[in-house]
Amino acid sequence: EAGVAQSPRYKIIEKRQSVAFWCNPISGHATLYWYQQILGQGPKLLIQFQNNGVVDDSQLPKDRFSAERLKGVDSTLKIQPAKLEDSAVYLCASSLDRIGGSGRAGETQYFGPGTRLLVL
Amino acid sequence: GQQVMQIPQYQHVQEGEDFTTYCNSSTTLSNIQWYKQRPGGHPVFLIQLVKSGEVKKQKRLTFQFGEAKKNSSLHITATQTTDVGTYFCAGSTTDSWGKFQFGAGTQVVVTP
Repeated sequence: EAGVAQSPRYKIIEKRQSVAFWCNPISGHATLYWYQQILGQGPKLLIQFQNNGVVDDSQLPKDRFSAERLKGVDSTLKIQPAKLEDSAVYLCASSLDRIGGSGRAGETQYFGPGTRLLVL
Repeated sequence: GQQVMQIPQYQHVQEGEDFTTYCNSSTTLSNIQWYKQRPGGHPVFLIQLVKSGEVKKQKRLTFQFGEAKKNSSLHITATQTTDVGTYFCAGSTTDSWGKFQFGAGTQVVVTP
């Protein structure tokens, strides 16, 4: 079974520029997550999708970050404009189940390799 | 809001020794997950605990969920160099299916 795919793996940009990340979850996974992981910290949830709908985006800085999952499969996360403090690893994860599904076992998250972003 | 704290932040272990890392939540959890992240890698799922007082074992790793479902622990026996990495706990509450709050992790360094 193929894992979660992300691209690009690395990105260096200057502040105030724009950047976009792409994620393709495991086939059949209903739930998709974007996390931000700053060096030395745990992953911080930015946005959670169930199929193509947003479940939670309470920690997404909406003035500069946006995300979509139009067809309920792959997803893009965009930052515009980037700030120095956005330097981090952006992790995409997916889980099989959906709210009301087969139970909490379906909440296991499978992470992609991440995109390392450096903002100069 | 919900907070998940892990202690210690760093753990230096001699190969062959045992150690325990702890995870504490400010709110009662419905379930808790543990992940391992190798240096330069991404988090990899280890286990999920759901029941109060639950104990699960994976070879040298023992996971426990507290009776009050507000804390959890990971105990590793006979540490090996392959245990190097950062261990994260992530907790979810009843009203937030699939939404997990991650702790800051315990970074484990093993000296031969």
